[in-house]
Amino acid sequence: GNSVTQMEGPVTLSEEAFLTINCTYTATGYPSLFWYVQYPGEGLQLLLKATKADDKGSNKGFEATYRKETTSFHLEKGSVQVSDSAVYFCALSQGGSEKLVFGKGTKLTVNP
Amino acid sequence: EAQVTQNPRYLITVTGKKLTVTCSQNMNHEYMSWYRQDPGLGLRQIYYSMNVEVTDKGDVPEGYKVSRKEKRNFPLILESPSPNQTSLYFCASRGRREANYGYTFGSGTRLTVV
Repeated sequence: GNSVTQMEGPVTLSEEAFLTINCTYTATGYPSLFWYVQYPGEGLQLLLKATKADDKGSNKGFEATYRKETTSFHLEKGSVQVSDSAVYFCALSQGGSEKLVFGKGTKLTVNP
Repeated sequence: EAQVTQNPRYLITVTGKKLTVTCSQNMNHEYMSWYRQDPGLGLRQIYYSMNVEVTDKGDVPEGYKVSRKEKRNFPLILESPSPNQTSLYFCASRGRREANYGYTFGSGTRLTVV
């Protein structure tokens, strides 16, 4: 079945550091890929998405590129802020299925 | 404001006492889902609905029921809650034409069964 594997957390960075959170997936065909963010005490918010190979999703300074050859969708940000502290989830959906398959989440803490 | 509204936000109950968590969306979305979030396990789908009166099981449906009598509402029913259903629950919805745009999630319901 489909699955998503993302790097274990927690991740602790200083403000303005570079962020990478790795995400790889297993799926047949061409799933759509997503990054969701969960701020403390809140629900999940869609951060960015990509629907086909080589697409780059971007939002709020975050980027991720859909790499079919490596089945990856790594999240990056060039300069993190304290306000980016949250849990980040990589997810996929397959055409014809109403299920989002999530990774286990990576908790990011950014210190001033 | 377009949103998915869950109630209650927090609930503590006793084993065996039936409860309902409500979910309502104001975006005229066809698709709705329930997920539970547990430490180390991420989010897992409980049930989903593709439209009024159309529901199906997700990965972890045991111990839960749902109904979809109206397009906007998708309540989650625990007929006889047990401690292993202590979790954080999320309702989510999307429109038929938004398959590639992801779901909109509610703020969550933290349930504790003692």
